[in-house]
Amino acid sequence: DAGVTQSPTHLIKTRGQQVTLRCSPKSGHDTVSWYQQALGQGPQFIFQYYEEEERQRGNFPDRFSGHQFPNYSSELNVNALLLGDSALYLCASSPTWKDSPLHFGNGTRLTVT
Amino acid sequence: SQQGEEDPQALSIQEGENATMNCSYKTSINNLQWYRQNSGRGLVHLILIRSNEREKHSGRLRVTLDTSKKSSSLLITASRAADTASYFCATVLISGAGSYQLTFGKGTKLSVIP
Repeated sequence: DAGVTQSPTHLIKTRGQQVTLRCSPKSGHDTVSWYQQALGQGPQFIFQYYEEEERQRGNFPDRFSGHQFPNYSSELNVNALLLGDSALYLCASSPTWKDSPLHFGNGTRLTVT
Repeated sequence: SQQGEEDPQALSIQEGENATMNCSYKTSINNLQWYRQNSGRGLVHLILIRSNEREKHSGRLRVTLDTSKKSSSLLITASRAADTASYFCATVLISGAGSYQLTFGKGTKLSVIP
């Protein structure tokens, strides 16, 4: 049973470019959340997707957008990249039950130069 | 913004000793969770404690929750070198719309010396 998978594992982009990160949730999970983790910090909530809709959003600008597909996989898009967007981007999945822990992927390390 | 604050920021102990990490938070919660992260990889869930629970055990882990003080502690007994990692507490507030968001602290970096 595969856990949460993310691709790519590493990515280097230039300021102003756009990037798309991908996530496949754990089997049986239909809710996907995205987190940004800067070096030495805890993960910061970006947004959550359920039934192909953004259900909740953290304090991130509109440059950050996402999508969820009918098979529950998800994408995170970031436009007009800034140096400060350099971070580890983590995808987490969960069933719709409220008291369930999140299952995290190993993340995508994004470096913006 | 980060709701949980872990204390200490870093902790170094000898193998076999116990490690205690604390977490304080600001608002009411539905549950609190502890996660472990090994050197920049994904987070691994350790334990979940609900707001109506005071203590929970899982193997060598013991978690307490004091909602009146808005604080929690994670105790790892008989530590091993493999316990070396960053530990995060995450608070959960379930919104009326049914959304389920974890808010993480900055973590405690634990080093267990063999």
